[in-house]
Amino acid sequence: DTEVTQTPKHLVMGMTNKKSLKCEQHMGHRAMYWYKQKAKKPPELMFVYSYEKLSINESVPSRFSPECPNSSLLNLHLHALQPEDSALYLCASSQDSRANTEAFFGQGTRLTVV
Amino acid sequence: AQSVSQHNHHVILSEAASLELGCNYSYGGTVNLFWYVQYPGQHLQLLLKYFSGDPLVKGIKGFEAEFIKSKFSFNLRKPSVQWSDTAEYFCAVSTNSGYSTLTFGKGTMLLVSP
Repeated sequence: DTEVTQTPKHLVMGMTNKKSLKCEQHMGHRAMYWYKQKAKKPPELMFVYSYEKLSINESVPSRFSPECPNSSLLNLHLHALQPEDSALYLCASSQDSRANTEAFFGQGTRLTVV
Repeated sequence: AQSVSQHNHHVILSEAASLELGCNYSYGGTVNLFWYVQYPGQHLQLLLKYFSGDPLVKGIKGFEAEFIKSKFSFNLRKPSVQWSDTAEYFCAVSTNSGYSTLTFGKGTMLLVSP
């Protein structure tokens, strides 16, 4: 199983809503990532978790709140988002956080903020 | 910080034509290099990677890439493209100075006409 599963695939939310994106992998990977991909742009790193601890936060606004409840799950809690936050949110995992490891990506959640 | 540039944003080829997509990076230290492909509506998939050793690496689906350290380049090649190669191609780099985080180029959209 080399899959990273993300739910939901699509999400439309209002600016006052609270929602969560979920990511799951069963490859035994100990590093998990959130990337954001705007239309016609490359993915940009948001957060890195290594062994369930937040290791990197790329100056992401606090309206995005990551959570890693266990080694297989990664959540991204959303609150009071802005329309410019509309994007494809990608989850990825790798064996560990060493730089020379392959990252496996999920299909993403396409988020629209209205 | 490292950066990645891809020379072509859009490439249109006929089936059986040869492909070369350019990728250059800027970073003075040791890098790990990747090419990812994103087929329409699908997740990012790894085509090939270079960590060390033979600078000519072979990946899936007949793709290969050559790391030329003196030119800071990692160009992707395929001798004969197929219609099914229509996709967006991203070059990415990680450095050994930190976590396994990827910096992506802006991507090249390849359209192969039958």
